[in-house]
Amino acid sequence: NAGVTQTPKFRVLKTGQSMTLLCAQDMNHEYMYWYRQDPGMGLRLIHYSVGEGTTAKGEVPDGYNVSRLKKQNFLLGLESAAPSQTSVYFCASSYPTGDGYTFGSGTRLTVV
Amino acid sequence: KNEVEQSPQNLTAQEGEFITINCSYSVGISALHWLQQHPGGGIVSLFMLSSGKKKHGRLIATINIQEKHSSLHITASHPRDSAVYICAVRPNAGGSQGNLIFGKGTKLSVKP
Repeated sequence: NAGVTQTPKFRVLKTGQSMTLLCAQDMNHEYMYWYRQDPGMGLRLIHYSVGEGTTAKGEVPDGYNVSRLKKQNFLLGLESAAPSQTSVYFCASSYPTGDGYTFGSGTRLTVV
Repeated sequence: KNEVEQSPQNLTAQEGEFITINCSYSVGISALHWLQQHPGGGIVSLFMLSSGKKKHGRLIATINIQEKHSSLHITASHPRDSAVYICAVRPNAGGSQGNLIFGKGTKLSVKP
C-alpha cells in the first residue's frame, strides 16, 4: 500500500548510543518531515526537507541530524542519545502545496 | 501562548451524540488540517481546508479565516470515533516550507 513507512517501530537505547531512524515514502512527495510527540505537547518539527539533497532545521533540531540522499528516503540520526530524546517520532511527507500530507506509524524511542 | 489552541482538551460523549471540537489559531495560514490519532497508533489526515466547509461521512470540518477558527463536527458519534483529534495549521509562505504547527489535541471518548 502507498504510504510512509518508518523503521524501527520501537527501540530502547542507552545514553550515549547512536541510532538512525529510517523513513520511506512511495508517493513521490517532494517534502518530508520529522516530528517528535511528547506528552502534553503538540507535535514539534525537528528537521525537514524540500527535496532530494536538501535539509533544514525545524523547531527542535539540537541533538539530531538528517539526510535525504534519495527522494523517497529521509533519515533521522541521533549521534549520542540523551534521556530527553525519549519520545515518539513521526515522519511525514507531502506535496509542496500541503496536499497529501501523510504520516508514518511512528517510532517509540526510549533512552535510559 | 500557543499558536494553535484546541478546546476542549478532553471530551466524553454518549453514543449517538453530536460532537464539536474547536480550534483557534493566531498566525496567518494557508491551510488547516484535522488529524486523528488512535491510542498507540499512527496519525491519519481527516481534512485539509483553506476555506468553507468539507464533509466526509459523519465528519464535517468548517473554517472561518477571518475569525481564525475551525470546528470539527462528528454526527451520530460511535465508540470507534474514540481517539485524539489534532488541529494543525500551515503558516503562510515567507519561511514556511510545508511544516505544520500543531495543537495539543482533544481526547474524545464515546461511551456505548
